[in-house]
Amino acid sequence: AQSVTQLDSQVPVFEEAPVELRCNYSSSVSVYLFWYVQYPNQGLQLLLKYLSGSTLVESINGFEAEFNKSQTSFHLRKPSVHISDTAEYFCAVKRKGGNEKLTFGTGTRLTIIP
Amino acid sequence: DVKVTQSSRYLVKRTGEKVFLECVQDMDHENMFWYRQDPGLGLRLIYFSYDVKMKEKGDIPEGYSVSREKKERFSLILESASTNQTSMYLCASRVTSLYEQYFGPGTRLTVT
Repeated sequence: AQSVTQLDSQVPVFEEAPVELRCNYSSSVSVYLFWYVQYPNQGLQLLLKYLSGSTLVESINGFEAEFNKSQTSFHLRKPSVHISDTAEYFCAVKRKGGNEKLTFGTGTRLTIIP
Repeated sequence: DVKVTQSSRYLVKRTGEKVFLECVQDMDHENMFWYRQDPGLGLRLIYFSYDVKMKEKGDIPEGYSVSREKKERFSLILESASTNQTSMYLCASRVTSLYEQYFGPGTRLTVT
């Protein structure tokens, strides 16, 4: 079975400052990794995903995440945050192959301070 | 654009009532999912369905059942609602061979 740990439940950051949201996973088999974002009063949206290839993946709104197999991590970063980035961010893992379900972390609430 | 809709954004029910939460997707996705979201617990999978009339238990199926009679619709049923089922319920769908799950806006259910 897979598990995901997001150690930070809340992260306050000043506007235009950098941010890192941490995600560590545990799995005995190869996995795919995802970050989902939930804006206030909305459902979840896929932010970015790692399936294979380059370990650095980017989203269209400036976020990036790096898959680190040795540290079993998939941290999410942004060099300069905006008020509009205020949201809850969920890391998720899925075992490669088949119709396996996603396993989500407990989420990190990112609050941007003007 | 993929659209996943849920029948209600907010719902208030009494203890013991039978509750139906409906989810409809318009992209012919094979897989559909029901999650509940609680603060500090993230998303927990209740049930999922690989195809019509197929269902699998997720991590927390107790107190819930599901129905999938048509490909586009996946219903979550609380046979006898209890206060500990007060939560945000999220539906999602996915094409079997791809990995992205598309989520609905959620239903916030309060059981009093």
